Amino acid sequence: DQQVKQNSPSLSVQEGRISILNCDYTNSMFDYFLWYKKYPAEGPTFLISISSIKDKNEDGRFTVFLNKSAKHLSLHIVPSQPGDSAVYFCAASAGNQFYFGTGTSLTVIP
Amino acid sequence: DVKVTQSSRYLVKRTGEKVFLECVQDMDHENMFWYRQDPGLGLRLIYFSYDVKMKEKGDIPEGYSVSREKKERFSLILESASTNQTSMYLCASSSSERQGYDYGYTFGSGTRLTVV
Repeated sequence: DQQVKQNSPSLSVQEGRISILNCDYTNSMFDYFLWYKKYPAEGPTFLISISSIKDKNEDGRFTVFLNKSAKHLSLHIVPSQPGDSAVYFCAASAGNQFYFGTGTSLTVIP
Repeated sequence: DVKVTQSSRYLVKRTGEKVFLECVQDMDHENMFWYRQDPGLGLRLIYFSYDVKMKEKGDIPEGYSVSREKKERFSLILESASTNQTSMYLCASSSSERQGYDYGYTFGSGTRLTVV
């Protein structure tokens, strides 16, 4: 059973606009959440994280929002750039192991 | 710079061959993981290890085995390669201690395995 879900397999946005990637989870024990970015033929790289004691974390153009009551996580990228085109995975953890969503492929159109 | 190194970026093997995928990390991490990534299926956990000589099955262990004789090295073995094992294989490591805000996995660059 998939504990972390990304229901949108793909997303296209215009350069300069906001990209919003969504993630839902089912396990209320998850207390730490991550977003990874993956280019083709490369391993995922860490992008941004958030602990369950917070509802927002910001790092430059990237902001992650956590809604614990809805068990929902989102990543906002503002402004979007062509170099942001990649697959984005959300991940959640309650211990040593992370559970990953199936990924959302973001295309930023110049 | 901390690293997880996977021995091969691209590999082509024949059906029935025994295949070894090697992963080495230099961060003194206790935990190591093997995933495969397939389009539409995301990252699926094959095996993981929280200590030397220790291994646990993930979600899709069938057709695979692992070896962890040293802390820094975690090997994935395809006992008899089949075409449905054609995939991108990703190794990751992490510390058992949550330190700092960027705790999580460090991934290798991946091995694209094609079984013909």
